[in-house]
Amino acid sequence: QKEVEQDPGPLSVPEGAIVSLNCTYSNSAFQYFMWYRQYSRKGPELLMYTYSSGNKEDGRFTAQVDKSSKYISLFIRDSQPSDSATYLCAMSGPGGYNKLIFGAGTRLAVHP
Amino acid sequence: GAGVSQSPSNKVTEKGKDVELRCDPISGHTALYWYRQSLGQGLEFLIYFQGNSAPDKSGLPSDRFSAERTGGSVSTLTIQRTQQEDSAVYLCASSWVTGGRGNTEAFFGQGTRLTVV
Repeated sequence: QKEVEQDPGPLSVPEGAIVSLNCTYSNSAFQYFMWYRQYSRKGPELLMYTYSSGNKEDGRFTAQVDKSSKYISLFIRDSQPSDSATYLCAMSGPGGYNKLIFGAGTRLAVHP
Repeated sequence: GAGVSQSPSNKVTEKGKDVELRCDPISGHTALYWYRQSLGQGLEFLIYFQGNSAPDKSGLPSDRFSAERTGGSVSTLTIQRTQQEDSAVYLCASSWVTGGRGNTEAFFGQGTRLTVV
């Protein structure tokens, strides 16, 4: 079993839809949770960064972390064609667990 | 430059040849990662350098793969006797690690696209 599981999609939605992306994980030592966005032929770039459980909102993006369920989510409101990309969750922990472990990435297509 | 720089951007090599991939991290970043991304796949962790600590090599797929980081800055990933299954994009990232918070944002380079023919 992988440490981080993420549905690879692809996910296709119409413009304006609410998108929900999710990851589950097995290592309870993870405390830092991130979402990266990767456009085709580019390196990933950080979208959201969350410490421990709770919600974080940034514009149209909301990240949620539920450590009790080992489940994290990214919501995109009013999705735009420019949101079409691969979304990767990543996580790390303190001390000896602080290397970043990524999910497989979910490919999202937002069509006009 | 301000970002993570990787070279070359593209590399085509013959099966059995050795290749070296270079990564220049952001100045002052103490952590450096190498990942591999095959077509349509997620990021496969290869190796992690953090300050003066021994590197975490747990992701290297075989003994044909090695990496070093000189002077806590530039890193080179070497693949010996390349095989066709080594074809992938090799991504380097760096970050600033604090004692209390662990890793902060990791900044990625554009990657080296390796093709073994």
